[in-house]
Amino acid sequence: DSGVTQTPKHLITATGQRVTLRCSPRSGDLSVYWYQQSLDQGLQFLIQYYNGEERAKGNILERFSAQQFPDLHSELNLSSLELGDSALYFCASSVAGTDYGYTFGSGTRLTVV
Amino acid sequence: SQQGEEDPQALSIQEGENATMNCSYKTSINNLQWYRQNSGRGLVHLILIRSNEREKHSGRLRVTLDTSKKSSSLLITASRAADTASYFCATAPDKLIFGTGTRLQVFP
Repeated sequence: DSGVTQTPKHLITATGQRVTLRCSPRSGDLSVYWYQQSLDQGLQFLIQYYNGEERAKGNILERFSAQQFPDLHSELNLSSLELGDSALYFCASSVAGTDYGYTFGSGTRLTVV
Repeated sequence: SQQGEEDPQALSIQEGENATMNCSYKTSINNLQWYRQNSGRGLVHLILIRSNEREKHSGRLRVTLDTSKKSSSLLITASRAADTASYFCATAPDKLIFGTGTRLQVFP
């Protein structure tokens, strides 16, 4: 157990639907990062939050949004889902920035049918 | 977009042999990190080397960094079947950007 908890582990949904992925960071970590991993695109950075504030955005589609709550857990919302959104979605946390490495959760495998 | 690219894309060796993976990156960095990912699982942080360091060791892992060539290498000595995984380098200006990964297969 890495200390980063992601739920659900698996999600199967239909095109056009909306889903919410949840992440609880490791205790004491203020930064949360979301990544998408697909076979053809590799590991893509989506978005970062630090202590409730958005810090950086990567290749995140407009159909996707995220937030970090006062208790530091984070949610990634994916809407109007397309087949191409099928991927592993990882959450990672760190104390602050990149100086000490990230701790990753075990991921949510999203399948859009 | 990928900041780093690992080479080779795939590597197969026998137990006991050494495995060397290389990473090239594009922009200036604060540090470079290596991660391991077992199939379909989360990434595990292995080692971090700062931009002012040239070499670092951790157990059977040895990492080198050449900032003039924008490259790094990860050496795993005396490989074991349990080392079978994908290995990624990640570079850090401000957030981690991951490379494409090297798939390592260690045969018993």
